[in-house]
Amino acid sequence: GAGVSQSPSNKVTEKGKDVELRCDPISGHTALYWYRQSLGQGLEFLIYFQGNSAPDKSGLPSDRFSAERTGGSVSTLTIQRTQQEDSAVYLCASSLSTGSSYEQYFGPGTRLTVT
Amino acid sequence: AQSVAQPEDQVNVAEGNPLTVKCTYSVSGNPYLFWYVQYPNRGLQFLLKYITGDNLVKGSYGFEAEFNKSQTSFHLKKPSALVSDSALYFCAVRDPGSSGNTGKLIFGQGTTLQVKP
Repeated sequence: GAGVSQSPSNKVTEKGKDVELRCDPISGHTALYWYRQSLGQGLEFLIYFQGNSAPDKSGLPSDRFSAERTGGSVSTLTIQRTQQEDSAVYLCASSLSTGSSYEQYFGPGTRLTVT
Repeated sequence: AQSVAQPEDQVNVAEGNPLTVKCTYSVSGNPYLFWYVQYPNRGLQFLLKYITGDNLVKGSYGFEAEFNKSQTSFHLKKPSALVSDSALYFCAVRDPGSSGNTGKLIFGQGTTLQVKP
């Protein structure tokens, strides 16, 4: 079946611009996560959504970062006024639930470069 | 706070030899542990998990991992390495968060496995 998809695969933007990253989770998966992978920080949790519950935003690094999930499916991660330190690979993952036994399935990521 | 450590940045092994990639963890409560593999320019692929039960967990591509509660370790192993196993490996622990129900993962820094012919 189809896995997690993300778009765009690569994004180059100028410092100060806003960017939107998209994630399509596996159909039927109710939990959706965003992570960031960078050389200096490794893999960091950013935000997660579970059904209609309030999202856990505890990993967002600043108020320039926000995310939404429409209709319990597609999610968009928005970074406003991008900075060079935002350059990283942004990974989306989904799972059947947030229950402890459920593994997360990751998309291929969006590589963001801020110039 | 939950944490995971992968003490080796890189592991080198000859093809056909057994391999071990080390992982230790620190959690409050029951540990839920995962291994993922990342090939160049690809996302993470799930290999295996430990939730409860047998300490030896078998996963994809012939990999297995041994959960050791007394040593708080969850080392990844394979009896006979292949060149195609060369990749970046991540150990992760589930962090339930303050609500006890987030399921987010805390990752180790990753270990590069290099298998030479």
